[in-house]
Amino acid sequence: GDSVTQMEGPVTLSEEAFLTINCTYTATGYPSLFWYVQYPGEGLQLLLKATKADDKGSNKGFEATYRKETTSFHLEKGSVQVSDSAVYFCALSVHSGGSNYKLTFGKGTLLTVNP
Amino acid sequence: GAGVSQSPRYKVAKRGQDVALRCDPISGHVSLFWYQQALGQGPEFLTYFQNEAQLDKSGLPSDRFFAERPEGSVSTLKIQRTQQEDSAVYLCASSLRRMQGVSQETQYFGPGTRLLVL
Repeated sequence: GDSVTQMEGPVTLSEEAFLTINCTYTATGYPSLFWYVQYPGEGLQLLLKATKADDKGSNKGFEATYRKETTSFHLEKGSVQVSDSAVYFCALSVHSGGSNYKLTFGKGTLLTVNP
Repeated sequence: GAGVSQSPRYKVAKRGQDVALRCDPISGHVSLFWYQQALGQGPEFLTYFQNEAQLDKSGLPSDRFFAERPEGSVSTLKIQRTQQEDSAVYLCASSLRRMQGVSQETQYFGPGTRLLVL
């Protein structure tokens, strides 16, 4: 079946540090890849996505590149801020049966950024 | 504008009780999803509605779980005879269009209902 593995947290960084959260996947078909973020007390929000190999998704200074050869979609940010503290989820969906709505999520990585 | 809302935000139930969880999607959104998120895990798909039609219920863990969306807007997830393993956060999401083909519609998530079964 489809699965997502992301690095275990928690991750604690100082402000302006470089962030990488690793994500690898296994998929039965050709997946679309996503990063979702959940800020304290809020719902999941789509952070960025990529739908084909070598695509780079980016938003709010975060980036992730769809690497088919390594089945990876690592999240990076050059300089984190305190406001980036949240739980980050890597996810995929696979086109199946005429639609691709089912999201398969990783377990999430808690990021804490200290001033 | 208003996002996806869910109620109640917290629910404590005794084992064996029935519970009903409500989801108000973004107005006009055709597609609606329910996910279950156990502690320390990522969300897992439960079911999908396109308007009032439940097109996929493959993720419902047992026949104690039932979801409906009778008028194509508000949805209710009902759990009968709750068990301790049902304790989780239940997430609702909606998207503007029907999910068809290879286009990926963004799913907008609500804050979830945290269910604790004692």
